Amino acid sequence: NAGVTQTPKFRILKIGQSMTLQCTQDMNHNYMYWYRQDPGMGLKLIYYSVGAGITDKGEVPNGYNVSRSTTEDFPLRLELAAPSQTSVYFCASSNDRGTYNEQFFGPGTRLTVL
Amino acid sequence: GDSVTQMEGPVTLSEEAFLTINCTYTATGYPSLFWYVQYPGEGLQLLLKATKADDKGSNKGFEATYRKETTSFHLEKGSVQVSDSAVYFCALSSGTGRRALTFGSGTRLQVQP
Repeated sequence: NAGVTQTPKFRILKIGQSMTLQCTQDMNHNYMYWYRQDPGMGLKLIYYSVGAGITDKGEVPNGYNVSRSTTEDFPLRLELAAPSQTSVYFCASSNDRGTYNEQFFGPGTRLTVL
Repeated sequence: GDSVTQMEGPVTLSEEAFLTINCTYTATGYPSLFWYVQYPGEGLQLLLKATKADDKGSNKGFEATYRKETTSFHLEKGSVQVSDSAVYFCALSSGTGRRALTFGSGTRLQVQP
């Protein structure tokens, strides 16, 4: 199993450009998440999904959109990039069994907006 | 809402020293507690977990005990190695609803030979 994969690893955007961060998991997990990690800070939840076709906002959703058309994929869309979106983005997934919620993380995408 | 507070870093230790990284939390109900580790340039990996009061999580020589009375989950290791140099995150999950993790701000550990 590859686990959680993310592409690209690095990206530089100009202000106002758009892009999609890709995330795929092969563990048949229902729950998927997008977090952002700013320097010296913990991770903050952007969006999450509890299954195909179901998404909802986290703590910091402004400037982002998501979709979940399949169990495996959970792309994150930035429509009008802003310098405040410079961050490292992590995708994660987990199953929905019981209350124990181990999340598996991808390697991250480092995004710089100039 | 839920929150996690960790001691600020960086923590700099010599090899074979004893490590403690403090973590306290605020949450409703009975959260699960986690320690994640992030090595340079990598994503987060689960280090250990505890799902109920008085549980002790352990892995790779690291331990943490879920203390409900003090709302704490301190990370300890008896003898650190250079390879333990990383950023350590304490986190909790309420286990209901979105089941997302609430993270502390992370503590950077630097172990010198």
